[in-house]
Amino acid sequence: AQSVSQHNHHVILSEAASLELGCNYSYGGTVNLFWYVQYPGQHLQLLLKYFSGDPLVKGIKGFEAEFIKSKFSFNLRKPSVQWSDTAEYFCAVKGSGGGADGLTFGKGTHLIIQP
Amino acid sequence: EAEVAQSPRYKITEKSQAVAFWCDPISGHATLYWYRQILGQGPELLVQFQDESVVDDSQLPKDRFSAERLKGVDSTLKIQPAELGDSAMYLCASSPMARGIETQYFGPGTRLLVL
Repeated sequence: AQSVSQHNHHVILSEAASLELGCNYSYGGTVNLFWYVQYPGQHLQLLLKYFSGDPLVKGIKGFEAEFIKSKFSFNLRKPSVQWSDTAEYFCAVKGSGGGADGLTFGKGTHLIIQP
Repeated sequence: EAEVAQSPRYKITEKSQAVAFWCDPISGHATLYWYRQILGQGPELLVQFQDESVVDDSQLPKDRFSAERLKGVDSTLKIQPAELGDSAMYLCASSPMARGIETQYFGPGTRLLVL
C-alpha cells in the first residue's frame, strides 16, 4: 500500500522568507505526485503535479516541486512567500497503473505567513 | 469555471440516524471520487466510480456506508446508521477519465457532525 509522509504539520514564516515543505512517499511502482492547497474557507485546489519527464515541476502562484526518485521525495518550494500563501498544503500520490487511481494524501502542513 | 457541487454544506445528525450527501461532478467528467477528511488529517478515498460502475470501494465501510451513481452523472453517499466517529468532512472529486494524467477537481465538501 502506498503512503505519504509530510514532515511538518505546522510552519510559521515571515513574508518574503523562502519555503520548503517536505514530502516523502512509499510506493513500489511508478507514481504520479501532486501538491494540493486549501486556502481558508475554500476547497482543495491543485498547485502542481508530476507524471514524467523533467523532475522539476512548476505550478501556480510561483510554487515548484522537485521529484527525487532515489529519495522518494517530492518537496514543495517557493523562493519568497506572501501573506496570501497562508493555507493547508497536502502532498498526494497515485499509482500510475490500473483503473483505481484514488489519491493517497499526507496529513497536511498548515502554513502561516506573518506579515 | 465549472465546479463540483456538493450538498448540503453542513449536516448535524444524531448517532443511529441516516444521512445522505449529494455530489454533482463537472459536466463530462466520467470519474467520480468520494473522500473522507477527518480533522487534522488528509483526505482518504472511500469510493471511486467510472461512469456508473464502482472501480474501487476497498476503503468503504460497507456495513454502514453505501454509494451510488445510477446514471453515471451525480452521486449519493449514504451512512446508515451514523456513528460518532463518522464526524468529518466528506469531499467529492471528479476527473475527466481514469488511467490518465487528469487532475482531480474537488468540491467544497459536506461537513458532518454526529452527536
